[in-house]
Amino acid sequence: AQTVTQSQPEMSVQEAETVTLSCTYDTSENNYYLFWYKQPPSRQMILVIRQEAYKQQNATENRFSVNFQKAAKSFSLKISDSQLGDTAMYFCAFMTGTGNQFYFGTGTSLTVIP
Amino acid sequence: DADVTQTPRNRITKTGKRIMLECSQTKGHDRMYWYRQDPGLGLRLIYYSFDVKDINKGEISDGYSVSRQAQAKFSLSLESAIPNQTALYFCATSVGGSGETQYFGPGTRLLVL
Repeated sequence: AQTVTQSQPEMSVQEAETVTLSCTYDTSENNYYLFWYKQPPSRQMILVIRQEAYKQQNATENRFSVNFQKAAKSFSLKISDSQLGDTAMYFCAFMTGTGNQFYFGTGTSLTVIP
Repeated sequence: DADVTQTPRNRITKTGKRIMLECSQTKGHDRMYWYRQDPGLGLRLIYYSFDVKDINKGEISDGYSVSRQAQAKFSLSLESAIPNQTALYFCATSVGGSGETQYFGPGTRLLVL
């Protein structure tokens, strides 16, 4: 079975600073995909970033980047130059290479302080 | 216009009532999914469909049923609603293939009294 753990229920960061959200997962699969989704107060689920496990290079999307440590089964999200609009719940999600089911973590609530 | 729409956005119903949540998409995706979100539990998969003739149970399908009326439409039904089905429900879509991103609708907040 696949499990995803987000150990930080709540975090805060000053505007323009950098923050890192943690995510670990457990799987016996070798081929899989990892995602970070953002859920702002509007409750819409928005893709932030996607990582393919067979790629060693960490994915980046503008101010968002990941630190993917496959051996440690760790997939943290770094947000640089935090903006007020980054205030949201962030979910880490795992998908096996052969399936289409997401396994979600319980989320981290991030607040950006002006 | 939104690519994935859900109706209604909010619904209050009573225990024992039958209720249907609807999802439509204009993305042209074959695969559609229903999730529920509970505080502190993240999202959990209820049902998913890879095409019109394919329906699969997810992690928590008990008490729910689905219908895939067309490629673009996927409905979730609660045959006899109970209070612990109070939750936020999301529809999602994806193209075929492994590891593809799922695109979510805006969610339906359901309260069962």
